[in-house]
Amino acid sequence: DAGVTQSPTHLIKTRGQQVTLRCSPKSGHDTVSWYQQALGQGPQFIFQYYEEEERQRGNFPDRFSGHQYPNYSSELNVNALLLGDSALYLCASSLGLGTGVQYFGAGTRLSVL
Amino acid sequence: QKEVEQNSGPLSVPEGAIASLNCTYSDRGSQSFFWYRQYSGKSPELIMFIYSNGDKEDGRFTAQLNKASQYVSLLIRDSQPSDSATYLCAVRSAGKSTFGDGTTLTVKP
Repeated sequence: DAGVTQSPTHLIKTRGQQVTLRCSPKSGHDTVSWYQQALGQGPQFIFQYYEEEERQRGNFPDRFSGHQYPNYSSELNVNALLLGDSALYLCASSLGLGTGVQYFGAGTRLSVL
Repeated sequence: QKEVEQNSGPLSVPEGAIASLNCTYSDRGSQSFFWYRQYSGKSPELIMFIYSNGDKEDGRFTAQLNKASQYVSLLIRDSQPSDSATYLCAVRSAGKSTFGDGTTLTVKP
């Protein structure tokens, strides 16, 4: 049973650039949520996708956008990168929009120079 | 006030002891509660989830929930050095999860 997979593992970008991160949910899951985790902090909710639509959004600017495909995989796009965007980006999958369990992928470590 | 608060620690216990980790939350509408373990440089790994008031046991782990007090805890019995990690409390409401900043636990041999 494949778990949540994310790519790439690590990424180095410079300020102003754009980045796309990818996520495939756990088999049987249809909902994908994205989180940003800065060093020493808990994951911060970015947004959630279900049925190819953004269903909820955290307190992140419009530079952060996403997409979900019919096969439930998802992308996180960040435009005009800032130094402060350097973090571990985590994808979590779950079944439906309710209160069910979320499982995390291994994450993408983004460094902005 | 943060939505989910945890003691940052570090919490240090000897091997074989009971480790007690605590979490309080502000949203009374929260419906489900989770404990994740995160090793340094790794992603969060689910340990326990609890939906109803009371205790839930799974092996060496016990989660306790008191919705009236807006409090959830995790007990780790017979702590092992491999339990040394950061423990994240997460509270889920209407599909959105809010995390605390975690408590760092060190189990000394």
